[in-house]
Order: sequence, then structure tokens, then C-alpha cells
Amino acid sequence: AQKITQTQPGMFVQEKEAVTLDCTYDTSDPSYGLFWYKQPSSGEMIFLIYQGSYDQQNATEGRYSLNFQKARKSANLVISASQLGDSAMYFCAMRENSGYSTLTFGKGTMLLVSP
Amino acid sequence: DTGVSQDPRHKITKRGQNVTFRCDPISEHNRLYWYRQTLGQGPEFLTYFQNEAQLEKSRLLSDRFSAERPKGSFSTLEIQRTEQGDSAMYLCASSFPRTGSGGSYGYTFGSGTRLTVV
Repeated sequence: AQKITQTQPGMFVQEKEAVTLDCTYDTSDPSYGLFWYKQPSSGEMIFLIYQGSYDQQNATEGRYSLNFQKARKSANLVISASQLGDSAMYFCAMRENSGYSTLTFGKGTMLLVSP
Repeated sequence: DTGVSQDPRHKITKRGQNVTFRCDPISEHNRLYWYRQTLGQGPEFLTYFQNEAQLEKSRLLSDRFSAERPKGSFSTLEIQRTEQGDSAMYLCASSFPRTGSGGSYGYTFGSGTRLTVV
């Protein structure tokens, strides 16, 4: 079974609108962390936001927020006020704390922001 | 430190040749990871070092692949007898355990080495 599922291969959004990128995960480890990364066409992985499994509040980082629903095992990324520079691949990833802190990634969602 | 450095950025090689990639992590990071990313997929874990010790290897790391991290500093990933299926982006990341809410670990990725086997 896949540990990280991103069901949206591609998403389109107009500039200045909000967009939600979906991520569901599967783990039996009670302690884990969830990450979102942005990968532009140049290839580098840019860290966006982190949510720990025991964190009581949803994480926010500027225009990025993480809608964490633990019972549903979902960790959706919300980007508010989209900008043209947000066009990129977005990856959800999980680290299970019982292991060696390696990350397991989903297949990604390509976001295109139009003017 | 400006981040994680990987060299080369691009490598084109003929099938059957050996290639070696280098990763220089952030100096105070004791953990180093190699990932492979094929077109249209997310990165897949290959191997993990804590200091100089290689603590975990994925089943993706066939016997043609070898990784080292002498003295716990830079790391090399060598692929022997390359095959067309080895064509991918090879990403290196480093991290250190840091305290904070939930014990978050900060990973920093390099820009990757894109390998093309022809």
C-alpha cells in the first residue's frame, strides 16, 4: 500500500485565488511528521511547511497552510493568493519517527497558475 | 554554508560505463540521504548515513550501486555498469535532529544530479 497518496496529477488556478492540494497518508506509527515541498523546473526541492502528528494546531507559513485532519489521515496544502511563481510540482512527504528519519514522498501534483 | 552542493549537475554517459556523483552536505548536518527521482515520480529513498555509518539501504540500491561517506563529511554515490533504467535525477539531502515542537527535522536538499544513460 502506498504510504503517501496525491490524487491530483495536475491543478490549475488563477492568479490571486486560493488552491488546495490533496495528500493522504498511511502509517501505524503514532509519531510522524508531514512535509510539503515545492519543486520548480530547475529541480531543487524547496521546503514549504511541516506538521507533526502531535501538533495541536494546523501549521502555517506565510501563504501556505496545512489542513491536518488526523482521523482522516489527510494533510492538504492550502496556498492562498496564488502567484505566477507558484507554478511547480508539489510533493507531500512523511517521516515516521520509529525509523531512520527518511522521507517517503507522494507522486506529486503539478500546479499551474494562470494570469 | 550556502546549502547542500551536488556535483555534477548533469551527466550523460554511455550504457555500461561507471559514474560517480558527489554530495557536500551542510557542515553541521550529521545525517545524509540519497534519493532517486524518475520522470513524473516523487523522490525514492536510496540510502542513509549518520556520520560515516551507512545505516539504511533501500532495496532499490542494487549491487551496482555503492555509496560512501568517508569521515562523515561529503558523500559519493557510484553506479557501475550503468543501464538506461538508471536515468534519473539523483538528489542528496542532509539534516540534523533539532529540538522543537514535535521534534521536527529540517532537511535541506541539493539541486540534484541529472543522469542520462544513452
